Amino acid sequence: GENVEQHPSTLSVQEGDSAVIKCTYSDSASNYFPWYKQELGKRPQLIIDIRSNVGEKKDQRIAVTLNKTAKHFSLHITETQPEDSAVYFCAVTNAGGTSYGKLTFGQGTILTVHP
Amino acid sequence: DTEVTQTPKHLVMGMTNKKSLKCEQHMGHRAMYWYKQKAKKPPELMFVYSYEKLSINESVPSRFSPECPNSSLLNLHLHALQPEDSALYLCASSQSGASYNEQFFGPGTRLTVL
Repeated sequence: GENVEQHPSTLSVQEGDSAVIKCTYSDSASNYFPWYKQELGKRPQLIIDIRSNVGEKKDQRIAVTLNKTAKHFSLHITETQPEDSAVYFCAVTNAGGTSYGKLTFGQGTILTVHP
Repeated sequence: DTEVTQTPKHLVMGMTNKKSLKCEQHMGHRAMYWYKQKAKKPPELMFVYSYEKLSINESVPSRFSPECPNSSLLNLHLHALQPEDSALYLCASSQSGASYNEQFFGPGTRLTVL
């Protein structure tokens, strides 16, 4: 089955700095890569996603890059703010066949942004 | 209504009890999911329903029994649970089982098994 590795497990930055979280996956057939943010005691929420036919996607301070050849993708957060503090999960899925939307998650990164 | 709701928020049960978790969405989504999340860990998929039919069972023990009475409702029936089953149980829904569709998560039910 699919294996997703996420690094780092914890990340501490100063407000205004950039943060980068990286994930690698094993199944070359995987073609959809969402990122979820989960604040303490809250539900996971999608913050950005990318499909395999795209190399980069941006949404204001958040961007995701994908390298299909190397089977890794990264989340970039610029100008971090204290409210960005949360656990971030990458996820991977194969949109074909009988996957039925099955997501394989990375182990998560605890991001702390210090004021 | 653009939310997935779950009841109850918290549940404490003994190992001999029978209880049920409920999930509801009114977004017209046709795929619904149950996940289990332990503290500081990612969500683990348990079941997927697509168009009200069970499509994926991730080898979940039979003490967990899912049910999808209609396209808006998803239940998880619990019986003879073990303390290690204590976790946050998350429900999610998406427009269909196609993997490009965003999964919307409910707030979860915090389950404690004594």
